[in-house]
Amino acid sequence: DAGVTQSPTHLIKTRGQQVTLRCSPKSGHDTVSWYQQALGQGPQFIFQYYEEEERQRGNFPDRFSGHQFPNYSSELNVNALLLGDSALYLCASGRGGRVLTDTQYFGPGTRLTVL
Amino acid sequence: AQKITQTQPGMFVQEKEAVTLDCTYDTSDQSYGLFWYKQPSSGEMIFLIYQGSYDEQNATEGRYSLNFQKARKSANLVISASQLGDSAMYFCAMGSGGSYIPTFGRGTSLIVHP
Repeated sequence: DAGVTQSPTHLIKTRGQQVTLRCSPKSGHDTVSWYQQALGQGPQFIFQYYEEEERQRGNFPDRFSGHQFPNYSSELNVNALLLGDSALYLCASGRGGRVLTDTQYFGPGTRLTVL
Repeated sequence: AQKITQTQPGMFVQEKEAVTLDCTYDTSDQSYGLFWYKQPSSGEMIFLIYQGSYDEQNATEGRYSLNFQKARKSANLVISASQLGDSAMYFCAMGSGGSYIPTFGRGTSLIVHP
C-alpha cells in the first residue's frame, strides 16, 4: 500500500517564476493538506482540499493556490515566486475533511529553492 | 489564536535512557488535540502520538508516552529506552475548534548517543 507521494523531490526556480507541486494521497484518503516548512521552523498550514474544494486556508497570500482532482490527488501552485518561498513543501493526506487527525500521513516533501 | 512553544532547541540522550521533550500550548478552545511528530533528515513527518483535551488518561504508543497536564497547558513527550534511530527533529502540534487547523512548534532536535 503506497503512502503519500510527492513530486518533484527537488526544484530550483528563479524569482518571478511559477511552480506546480504534486501530491498523491495514501490509498483510501480523500483529504489533502499542504504545508510550508522554512528552514529551522515547524510546518505552516497553507490550505486543505476536500471534495475538490479548498475547505480551510492558513495565512498565505493568493499567490498560493491549489487544486484537487477527482482521484483525490492535488496540486499546489505558487505564482510570482519570491526568495522567501524557498522551503520544504509537505503534503499530508487524511480522511473525512479534518485537517489534523491521528490518521494523517505526510509525504516526503518537495524542496523548493528560489534563486 | 493557538500557540505552541517548544523551548528546547536541542536535546542529547544516551542510548537506552529515557528523555522528555517539552511542549506548552495556549488556546481558548475547550476542545483540542495535541500531536507529536518525528521528522528524520529525510524530511517526512511521522505521526507518533495523539492526546485529546477530554482524554483523562495520558496517551501511550509503544515507547512513546504523552505527559498531559491540562492545568499547566503542557503536553510533554517521553521517549523510553532511546534508540539511535530516534535521532531526529520532534514537533509538537495542536488543532482546536471545529476545523482543527494545526499549529506546529519550532521543534526540538534530539540526538541519541551510543
